[in-house]
Amino acid sequence: NAGVMQNPRHLVRRRGQEARLRCSPMKGHSHVYWYRQLPEEGLKFMVYLQKENIIDESGMPKERFSAEFPKEGPSILRIQQVVRGDSAAYFCASSPMTGATTEAFFGQGTRLTVV
Amino acid sequence: KNEVEQSPQNLTAQEGEFITINCSYSVGISALHWLQQHPGGGIVSLFMLSSGKKKHGRLIATINIQEKHSSLHITASHPRDSAVYICAVRSEYGNKLVFGAGTILRVKS
Repeated sequence: NAGVMQNPRHLVRRRGQEARLRCSPMKGHSHVYWYRQLPEEGLKFMVYLQKENIIDESGMPKERFSAEFPKEGPSILRIQQVVRGDSAAYFCASSPMTGATTEAFFGQGTRLTVV
Repeated sequence: KNEVEQSPQNLTAQEGEFITINCSYSVGISALHWLQQHPGGGIVSLFMLSSGKKKHGRLIATINIQEKHSSLHITASHPRDSAVYICAVRSEYGNKLVFGAGTILRVKS
């Protein structure tokens, strides 16, 4: 049973381009969380999705960022027209259910560099 | 003030020393997680606690719900324990994790 898989591990984009980050949750997990770790800062929640639904997007920047978790395939975090300030490590976590007893299973992260 | 505070921010220890990292939080929680992150690496979950104490190998985690405080202990520390240790809490009203700033641990041989 593979863990949470994120790709690419490293992504370089020029300012103004689009970045697409993929997250395949663990088998049997239908809940996905995206977190961002800016340089020299702690992890911050971005968005929580279940299959085909966005449950909580309170941590998502209002513009340029979007996320989806389709019925089939990985969850995608999409950043349009990237700027240097988007350079960060983006982590995905998945769980089989919601609630207090839910373990946190994290991916290896995607390190985005905007040049 | 952050909802989750960790101390110390940086910690250097000699191999073999007993290490304690502290975490205090200000919100009601349903669970607390201790995570480990190596430089440039992914995040590994060490413990999930809602009460009491858990032990795994040389690692021990405790939580005091009344005092809103948790500690992570490492016994007989080793250079391979060098990493960032992160405390995270799950609010009793939501599903997302709120993270502390992390403690950078360096164990010297």
